[in-house]
Amino acid sequence: DAGVTQSPTHLIKTRGQQVTLRCSPKSGHDTVSWYQQALGQGPQFIFQYYEEEERQRGNFPDRFSGHQFPNYSSELNVNALLLGDSALYLCASSSGLWNTDTQYFGPGTRLTVL
Amino acid sequence: GENVEQHPSTLSVQEGDSAVIKCTYSDSASNYFPWYKQELGKRPQLIIDIRSNVGEKKDQRIAVTLNKTAKHFSLHITETQPEDSAVYFCAASNRDYKLSFGAGTTVTVRA
Repeated sequence: DAGVTQSPTHLIKTRGQQVTLRCSPKSGHDTVSWYQQALGQGPQFIFQYYEEEERQRGNFPDRFSGHQFPNYSSELNVNALLLGDSALYLCASSSGLWNTDTQYFGPGTRLTVL
Repeated sequence: GENVEQHPSTLSVQEGDSAVIKCTYSDSASNYFPWYKQELGKRPQLIIDIRSNVGEKKDQRIAVTLNKTAKHFSLHITETQPEDSAVYFCAASNRDYKLSFGAGTTVTVRA
């Protein structure tokens, strides 16, 4: 039974570029949440996808967008990259019915913006 | 929105001693409180969680207590071992589905 997977592992981009990160949820899960973790800080909620719709969004600009596919996998897109977007991007999957459902994290994608 | 504060930011304990990490939250509607352990370069892993209908939960050497009135919850690790060294994050969730995390506690267990 595969856990949460993410790709790529590492990514280096320059300011102004666009990036797409991918996440496959744990088997049996239908909900994907995305978090940004800056160095030395706790994860910050970006948004959550359920039934291919954005169900909840954190305090991130609309440069951050996402998508969920019918197989429940998800993408995070970031446009017009800034130096401050450098971080570890984590996705978490859950069964999604209740907010009390456990969220399981993937290994993350380390994004560096130069 | 929810605001979670976590203390201390660093904690050094002698192997075999206990470690306690405390978190407070602001939103009285929060009803789910997980704790994650993150080793260097690894993903956050759930170690224990508690829901607001329970005051205490224990799993071997790890326990979590919740005081809804005071809006705080704590992680207790007994008989610490070197493999307990990591960053620990508390989090809280209300009915808006997102997890709000504390800033983390770096725990070092001295042999």
